Amino acid sequence: DGGITQSPKYLFRKEGQNVTLSCEQNLNHDAMYWYRQDPGQGLRLIYYSQIVNDFQKGDIAEGYSVSREKKESFPLTVTSAQKNPTAFYLCASSRTGYGYTFGSGTRLTVV
Amino acid sequence: DQQVKQNSPSLSVQEGRISILNCDYTNSMFDYFLWYKKYPAEGPTFLISISSIKDKNEDGRFTVFLNKSAKHLSLHIVPSQPGDSAVYFCAATDSGAGSYQLTFGKGTKLSVIP
Repeated sequence: DGGITQSPKYLFRKEGQNVTLSCEQNLNHDAMYWYRQDPGQGLRLIYYSQIVNDFQKGDIAEGYSVSREKKESFPLTVTSAQKNPTAFYLCASSRTGYGYTFGSGTRLTVV
Repeated sequence: DQQVKQNSPSLSVQEGRISILNCDYTNSMFDYFLWYKKYPAEGPTFLISISSIKDKNEDGRFTVFLNKSAKHLSLHIVPSQPGDSAVYFCAATDSGAGSYQLTFGKGTKLSVIP
């Protein structure tokens, strides 16, 4: 079955550490996105990529980095520069002209 | 500047009654609108969409209405069921921009009371 997979489901990070969240899709979608969800804030766009080897900053890119070396993969690194990284992170993909397919999310907690 | 607004953070409805979730937008270039449903600790799932060439789209118990002049859309759920309890996100896009990037509202938490 085609889908989009995020791993891990739960992730704990010590302050000052970088962590990488995985997102893989086998839907042959061109575009991929990373969103962050905080209570009362809805979904805020971190980064997006419309084609391989190209990506753009979203509304809240500071403290995050991404790569898009393969069409199927769009990992997100939460760096130590991100001041408040505890949140629920959602990855999505889309084919031009259609809505998003979302992954099941990763809950990141700073300890 | 919030381009998609869901002004009601929460809504409670009795089982069997109608749920009406509202969404307003400010960007007149938006021409395609979607509703997503999200359970806690899960990713949102697509529910229903509408193009700006229509004013209504129906899928089973779910109907979306679009009023372009008012820049307003609403999602009607009839009859409401306890399993409908979730957060509902309204989203919009400008299909002419080429990216099909979605702009989301902050969501409305629907609670259907048995």
